Amino acid sequence: AQTVTQSQPEMSVQEAETVTLSCTYDTSESDYYLFWYKQPPSRQMILVIRQEAYKQQNATENRFSVNFQKAAKSFSLKISDSQLGDAAMYFCAYRRGNQFYFGTGTSLTVIP
Amino acid sequence: KAGVTQTPRYLIKTRGQQVTLSCSPISGHRSVSWYQQTPGQGLQFLFEYFSETQRNKGNFPGRFSGRQFSNSRSEMNVSTLELGDSALYLCASSLVSGARADTQYFGPGTRLTVL
Repeated sequence: AQTVTQSQPEMSVQEAETVTLSCTYDTSESDYYLFWYKQPPSRQMILVIRQEAYKQQNATENRFSVNFQKAAKSFSLKISDSQLGDAAMYFCAYRRGNQFYFGTGTSLTVIP
Repeated sequence: KAGVTQTPRYLIKTRGQQVTLSCSPISGHRSVSWYQQTPGQGLQFLFEYFSETQRNKGNFPGRFSGRQFSNSRSEMNVSTLELGDSALYLCASSLVSGARADTQYFGPGTRLTVL
């Protein structure tokens, strides 16, 4: 069974606009961490933002923020004021024990 | 602090050969995980090593193996290469194993092409 689901294989956004990438996950645990990673074309995967399940406040990192809906098991990423450098593959990830589970990714295109 | 490094960055092999990939974690990190990334399958977990012990293993055949040294550096070996093994192999390091707050930091990957 898929633990992490990203239902949008591709998304596009106009430069300076806002875009939201979706992620849902499946777990029976109450305490866990969720992550968004960014992988630019031919470049290294880097951490964008992470969220602890026990924290009600949504995490924010500059132009990146999440909408964490624990009951719905939803963890979406909002990118505000999109920039050309935001073009990348974005992966949602869930940590359970020693292992990270990744979604299949969303390819984000930023249109100038 | 230097990031995760992987060598080599690119490899071309033929079917039936074997290959060894290397990963050096961030200084102080003791956990190293390996992933296979392909366009169709996304990131698939291979295995994790912590303190020279394999802690967790994904659903891959026995041709895929690994080890970790006392300095936390890790190697991954694939024997009897198949065309389907062509992929980007990513290594990720973290401070410890199993801590929920721990974040994985990724290396640039090794691009393996099997002809």
